[in-house]
Amino acid sequence: EAQVTQNPRYLITVTGKKLTVTCSQNMNHEYMSWYRQDPGLGLRQIYYSMNVEVTDKGDVPEGYKVSRKEKRNFPLILESPSPNQTSLYFCASSLGQGDGYTFGSGTRLTVV
Amino acid sequence: GQNIDQPTEMTATEGAIVQINCTYQTSGFNGLFWYQQHAGEAPTFLSYNVLDGLEEKGRFSSFLSRSKGYSYLLLKELQMKDSASYLCAVPNFKAAGNKLTFGGGTRVLVKP
Repeated sequence: EAQVTQNPRYLITVTGKKLTVTCSQNMNHEYMSWYRQDPGLGLRQIYYSMNVEVTDKGDVPEGYKVSRKEKRNFPLILESPSPNQTSLYFCASSLGQGDGYTFGSGTRLTVV
Repeated sequence: GQNIDQPTEMTATEGAIVQINCTYQTSGFNGLFWYQQHAGEAPTFLSYNVLDGLEEKGRFSSFLSRSKGYSYLLLKELQMKDSASYLCAVPNFKAAGNKLTFGGGTRVLVKP
């Protein structure tokens, strides 16, 4: 089944404790993105990747890092999480420019 | 830049029809997406319009007018399971990485 798999689904952590949210897709898609979704603000792009070893900032990249060492994986790293990073996070992939996204199931992160 | 507007919330009765409007301003246009998102879940693709006119897909139809910067999603024969948020999104081809810019979403509540 074609899908984007994110883990974990839920995570509660403390301020400053490094964490990684994993994302993997099995569709051989070139493009991958991370979005966060907050009430009243909608979906905002954090980082994106156009291919292996090619990543760049989206609209809200502060406090996040990503890597794309393999085509299928695109982890999101929070080196020192803060409470304002409490949000619902989605990983998404697409075949190419102009194609729609397939989204992962989401990760609800709470930073206390 | 890009700007997308949609109503925040709509309420309708089971079996009825609801029309969700979306207006957009973009520098260049390359189609418009509609996604459905149930609370806490991933957005799922509904439609993609690149040419003017109405496209029908079962109970859901999507309309586009490029000259007016306007689209709508029409939901017919509403069912309780249609209670969800509906997101309008446009690709930004001037930005790398197949960026999709999303509207804030319209929450549709279907009542018995």
